This record gives sequence, C-alpha cells and structure tokens, in this order.
Amino acid sequence: GQQLNQSPQSMFIQEGEDVSMNCTSSSIFNTWLWYKQDPGEGPVLLIALYKAGELTSNGRLTAQFGITRKDSFLNISASIPSDVGIYFCAGLEGGSYIPTFGRGTSLIVHP
Amino acid sequence: DTAVSQTPKYLVTQMGNDKSIKCEQNLGHDTMYWYKQDSKKFLKIMFSYNNKELIINETVPNRFSPKSPDKAHLNLHINSLELGDSAVYFCASSQDNYSNEKLFFGSGTQLSVL
Repeated sequence: GQQLNQSPQSMFIQEGEDVSMNCTSSSIFNTWLWYKQDPGEGPVLLIALYKAGELTSNGRLTAQFGITRKDSFLNISASIPSDVGIYFCAGLEGGSYIPTFGRGTSLIVHP
Repeated sequence: DTAVSQTPKYLVTQMGNDKSIKCEQNLGHDTMYWYKQDSKKFLKIMFSYNNKELIINETVPNRFSPKSPDKAHLNLHINSLELGDSAVYFCASSQDNYSNEKLFFGSGTQLSVL
C-alpha cells in the first residue's frame, strides 16, 4: 500500500526554537492531515489541508499542502515544553476513505 | 466528558488467553475504527464500522473479532493471544464514512502479552 515518508524521525530542541518537519509520498493526495500524539494519549487532529498550495495556521503551528500534492510540511514556532509529543502526517488519496499515516516525528523540547 | 473512551487502559495477560477491549463514543458519530500502534509508533487501521456495519477489514488474523452492538459502541475481542499482539490499540470515530480525515481517537489500550 501507499507509504508516507516522514522526516525527521526525531528532534531534540531547546525551548523557543522553531521546528520544521515534512512528509512526502510517491502518489498524489487530495487531503493532508497533521496529528499530534501526547504521551499516553491518542492522536489529536491539528490541521487539515484540502487544496494544493494551501497554507493553514493553528496558533504557533503552520502547515502547507505542497504544490505537487505529494508533500506537506508542518512548522512550529517558538516551541514550548508542552509541544513534546509525536507528530504524525496523514494523507488521503482520491477515492480513498482511510488516511495513510506517516511513521511520526518525535519531538522533545528542553526547557 | 470524554468523547471517545476505551477500557481498559492497560491489559497484561498470558499467551493463549482471550481478552476484550471496549470502546464508546458520545459524539453521535456514525463511523468507528480500531487502530493498532506498534512499538515503533506506526498506526495501522484494523477495522471500520459504519452504523454498526463492518465496512473495512484489513489483513487482520481472524482471532480478532470486532463487535458493534450499536453505533456508539465498538468492542474488540481477541482470541488465543500471541506475543506479537502486544501493542497499543486505539479506538476512533468520525462523523461518517466520508469525513474520516477528522478522526477522534480514544486514549488507547496498552496490551502486553507475556
């Protein structure tokens, strides 16, 4: 099945730094999604993107739907300790009703 | 109020046993799911039910049997547990079968098979 390449696999940063992570696929997606999983919890949807080129913000988070429709990135500005968690990209191909998930980016923020 | 709640949170059991995980959602959603998250955090869909009807059954051993008594509940029964079944199992729901990019997940059941 379709696989998403998500990078980096993990990040260790200082509080206040900006973070960037991305996701690429070999085929075109109609929808890109970014989820965050806090330790011991289930993933929570952060941002959903529906159009190529779309740039959407949610507080300090900004995500973009790549022009080629084969990639997406997520930026976090001025990171804080509660940003710690695993960030998953996910995508929906045309005609599919089940999102494919990336393998996650584990973020650790040092105070 | 918890939107998607699953029990138990932790489940430790011996190989060969049979166990169940329960899930309930109070969001009024039509569609519910079971996902498995392995030790490398990869999320893989197992089953999807829409209004009590099975609509997706990925390649899962038939030792796993989901049951949906009504659209607010989706339980997972596992027979003859094996070591490889150890994982975190997440229940999720979405408004309907066409809105499943917006998944609401439970907090997971960590299953450890010894």
